[in-house]
Amino acid sequence: QQQVKQSPQSLIVQKGGISIINCAYENTAFDYFPWYQQFPGKGPALLIAIRPDVSEKKEGRFTISFNKSAKQFSLHIMDSQPGDSATYFCAASIRTSGSRLTFGEGTQLTVNP
Amino acid sequence: EAQVTQNPRYLITVTGKKLTVTCSQNMNHEYMSWYRQDPGLGLRQIYYSMNVEVTDKGDVPEGYKVSRKEKRNFPLILESPSPNQTSLYFCASSFSWNGETQYFGPGTRLLVL
Repeated sequence: QQQVKQSPQSLIVQKGGISIINCAYENTAFDYFPWYQQFPGKGPALLIAIRPDVSEKKEGRFTISFNKSAKQFSLHIMDSQPGDSATYFCAASIRTSGSRLTFGEGTQLTVNP
Repeated sequence: EAQVTQNPRYLITVTGKKLTVTCSQNMNHEYMSWYRQDPGLGLRQIYYSMNVEVTDKGDVPEGYKVSRKEKRNFPLILESPSPNQTSLYFCASSFSWNGETQYFGPGTRLLVL
């Protein structure tokens, strides 16, 4: 049972475009929602994260939008660049339960030059 | 350099032959964890450890063992590997048990014939 569902599975965007990846979760006890970025041959690395007390967080070209009532959150990559081509994972955890991350299925993003 | 290291990076073995994948971190992190990554399933937690001598099962612990005798090391043991354990394995660590940023190792690709 996948508690965090991620879509789309793959995404192709032109350079300069906006990439949008969506996630939905089931467990209302989740209180931390990070996004991880993974390049081929590497381990995932934290990209940006949000807590449910805010609806949006922006760091450079990366923005998380969070909708608590809908139990959904999304990653927006503005002005997408070929260097952004990677696999992106959303995740969720309950911080008091010991950093146990539940990951989405992953989205393979390709940004064409 | 602060990092999580895993060895070996690649391993081919046969069914039933015991193996150990080592994981070491040099950041004095309390929390360590093992994940497996499979296509379409994202990353799933196998075992985690909140501190030395404290370990617990994650979401997919069957067929795996771990130990945490030292703070820096967290080996993953497959006593009798089976083909369904063919996967990409990641070790991760974070500063504390409720630490939000997890740092991942480079991964170990395992093939069980």
